[in-house]
Amino acid sequence: DQQVKQNSPSLSVQEGRISILNCDYTNSMFDYFLWYKKYPAEGPTFLISISSIKDKNEDGRFTVFLNKSAKHLSLHIVPSQPGDSAVYFCAASLLGGGAQKLVFGQGTRLTINP
Amino acid sequence: EPEVTQTPSHQVTQMGQEVILRCVPISNHLYFYWYRQILGQKVEFLVSFYNNEISEKSEIFDDQFSVERPDGSNFTLKIRSTKLEDSAMYFCATPRRGVVNTGELFFGEGSRLTVL
Repeated sequence: DQQVKQNSPSLSVQEGRISILNCDYTNSMFDYFLWYKKYPAEGPTFLISISSIKDKNEDGRFTVFLNKSAKHLSLHIVPSQPGDSAVYFCAASLLGGGAQKLVFGQGTRLTINP
Repeated sequence: EPEVTQTPSHQVTQMGQEVILRCVPISNHLYFYWYRQILGQKVEFLVSFYNNEISEKSEIFDDQFSVERPDGSNFTLKIRSTKLEDSAMYFCATPRRGVVNTGELFFGEGSRLTVL
């Protein structure tokens, strides 16, 4: 079982406010969790990651929180900016065969309203 | 600055035809990955390639798919006999520079495959 789920297909937030994107997973063997941002007609772009042994990682306006007991992670963006409008994918990495692969969630479309 | 470039950006083909998608790394990489995204769905892992060998592949990566590095530089994904359900964006990826075993990948811009 290697499932990663994002239950909210879309989220709309006012500019300057906090955006919170959520992700749930089922496999406790994942060793890293990541957030990727994707614009139309482009490949996913790495945003931020967190090791499974940590519970928080912060990079500028972006913070990822990991709750291992709940198998839940979230991405906080504060303050939200119009350029943050994109599809955000939660992903989990699993080491296999000497090279890591990513298991992605379905994505959440974030819209920042001016 | 892109670490991989992909060609073609868009290919339209008839069902049953062979397709080759190419990935060109900017600098030396030992790890390569192919992922795909069917329109409106999640990004899915296809195959990982390390040191000129497949290290892992998904259930999607059946006998119709193959990967190789024919000239030590380009990295190709071949679909032997395309099906309608192969229509998707195909992404090549490599580990971000200096970062290994964390899942931090650099994805190319993708090749859109449309099978008619």
